[in-house]
Amino acid sequence: KNEVEQSPQNLTAQEGEFITINCSYSVGISALHWLQQHPGGGIVSLFMLSSGKKKHGRLIATINIQEKHSSLHITASHPRDSAVYICAVSRSGNTPLVFGKGTRLSVIA
Amino acid sequence: GAGVSQSPSNKVTEKGKDVELRCDPISGHTALYWYRQRLGQGLEFLIYFQGNSAPDKSGLPSDRFSAERTGESVSTLTIQRTQQEDSAVYLCASSYPHETQYFGPGTRLLVL
Repeated sequence: KNEVEQSPQNLTAQEGEFITINCSYSVGISALHWLQQHPGGGIVSLFMLSSGKKKHGRLIATINIQEKHSSLHITASHPRDSAVYICAVSRSGNTPLVFGKGTRLSVIA
Repeated sequence: GAGVSQSPSNKVTEKGKDVELRCDPISGHTALYWYRQRLGQGLEFLIYFQGNSAPDKSGLPSDRFSAERTGESVSTLTIQRTQQEDSAVYLCASSYPHETQYFGPGTRLLVL
C-alpha cells in the first residue's frame, strides 16, 4: 500500500462544477503539499499546509491531521484547470516529498 | 529572481553512454532535491542535499546514479552506462528550510 493515496485517479467535470480531490496518508507528516502539473509542463506548488484550511482564488485545501486526510477543492471549474493534481507529504522538516500517483482532471466547456 | 532552471531540457542518448544533468536552484535555497518521473508513473525521490550536510541518497535506484552539489548552488546528476529504463523526466526542486519546494522544468531523458 502506498503511503499517499489519492482519489479519484481520473475526473471529468463540466465547466462550472465544484470539484473535490481527496488524499489520504499513512505516515506522520510535518506538512502536506498539493501540486499541479499541466500536460508537458512543469510542476507548480499550490499549497503547503500542516493544519486547517488555505484558500487561493478558486482553490481551497483542507487537512484533518487526526484523520490523516486532505482535500483539494476547485470552485467554478474552468477548462484551464485541466491538469494532474498531485498530493505529497513531507515527513519532517526539510525532507524529500513522498508523492501520491496524481489525479488527472479534465474540465470540459 | 529566476526560478529553478535545468539543462538540457531534452537529452537523447544511446544505451551504455553516460549523461550529466544540471540544476541551478533559486539563489539562497539551501535544500535541493532530485526527483524522477517515468512515463505514466508518479514522481519518485532520488537524492536530497541540505546545506553542508551529507546528502540523502536513499532514493537512488542503482550505483550508476550519482549527484553532486557545489556549496548551495549548482547540482549535477550523473547517470553512468544508461539503460532504457532510465528514460524519464528528471526534475530538480529547491527550497528554504521548511518551505515550499519550487520545481524546475525538468530534463526529458530518452535512452535508445
